[in-house]
Formats: sequence, C-alpha cells, structure tokens
Amino acid sequence: SYVLTQPPSVSVAPGQTARITCGGNNIGSKSVHWYQQKAGQAPVLVVYVDSDRPSGIPERFSGSNSGNTATLTISRVESGDEADYYCQVWDSSSDHRVFGGGTTLTVL
Amino acid sequence: QVQLVESGGGVVQPGRSLRLSCAASGFTFSSYGMHWVRQAPGKGLEWVALISFDEIYKYYADSVKGRFTISRDISKNTLYLQMNSLRAEDTAVYYCAKDRAAGGLKGGYYFDYWGQGTLVTVSS
Repeated sequence: SYVLTQPPSVSVAPGQTARITCGGNNIGSKSVHWYQQKAGQAPVLVVYVDSDRPSGIPERFSGSNSGNTATLTISRVESGDEADYYCQVWDSSSDHRVFGGGTTLTVL
Repeated sequence: QVQLVESGGGVVQPGRSLRLSCAASGFTFSSYGMHWVRQAPGKGLEWVALISFDEIYKYYADSVKGRFTISRDISKNTLYLQMNSLRAEDTAVYYCAKDRAAGGLKGGYYFDYWGQGTLVTVSS
C-alpha cells in the first residue's frame, strides 16, 4: 500500500513562513490534498489538487507537489494556524484513501 | 449548506456490535461517494471505508475488513457503518466525509466536507 511520510512537528514564529512536507514514492504523479485539524474539531480541507484553495481559505495557504515531495506552505503564520495538518492521496491500485501521519504546527 | 451529522457512538464491550449513522443534507446525497474516517485518541486520521454513489463499490481498510460494513439509504439521506466484533483498537472518533473527484490529468479524490464525529469506546 502507498505510504505518506510527514514530519511529526514544525515550529515557526508569528509572521514567518511554515512549510510542511509530505513524502511519497513519485507523489508528484498524484493529486495531493491537505487538511487542517484544530484541537477538538473535525478536519477542514485547506488545499486540494496540489495547490487549489477552497472558498474561505486564506491565500496564505498554498501547496506544491513535485518528485517525491508535496509541500503545504503557510505564509505570514498566525497563532490561529496552530493545528495538525494531514496530507492525503488516492491509491489508485486499491481505490483506498491514504493519509500521512500528520504534522503538528506550533506557533512560537 | 452541506451538513453531515453522525450519531450512534458510545461505550461497547469487546466483541459486541454497534451501528453508526450519518445524516446528510444540503447536497444530492445519491450523487456522491461517502466515507468513514476514524481517529484514535491522540493519533492521526485513518480511512475506514468507502461506498460509491450507486452502492456498487464498497472498499475497506485492512484493519476492519470482514468486521465492518458500510451502507447507505438514499430515501433517508443517511450513511451507516455496521461494526461487528469490536476490539479495543477500534476505539476512536468516527467521522463521515463526503467524496469529491479531483478531476484533471492526475485524477484522485478528496474529502470536501466532514461531520463533527461520534466517539466509539470499546472497553469492558
């Protein structure tokens, strides 16, 4: 089965840029989607199809995907961005959905 | 607006059964695949099961295959998860989520809406 690897944690100061990576074998050939989950809440889609944003998601959230790494970039980080972030892809060989292990973003 | 409301969670003994429900509204329920995704306490998200819009396809994570059954009732706009032979490791918040095709050259699918979840605790 397809495996996605995320760093357990990322820390950044307010106003700086946070980059959260998601590694997978030739992940650049897949569409990658990102979810934000704040404490005690359900996940929320923040980026889909590598770099598109749903309505209502700030432009500060962006994504890229190439080679073996996809990246969620959060510019001008705010304290309200503190959350767990998960990447997700579709495993075409099984039709299963696959999540990365999640990354906790801490705003210092 | 899209709403997904789960119910049916609770405390259940190992080996027993439980059925979760997810009431959907705000979209054409019969036109979309639907999923169950779970999250054990302090852990990450784990995809559990998918049912296609036409109920032809049902897929399960290896961890629940043979024990869980996903189904839907179009007339009631409701998604179900029948969970049998429950184990301690099935303890989690269970979310229902709406499927969305990514389109484009790469294809793929994502979850565009999620419910708030229902907690299932398997304990003696």
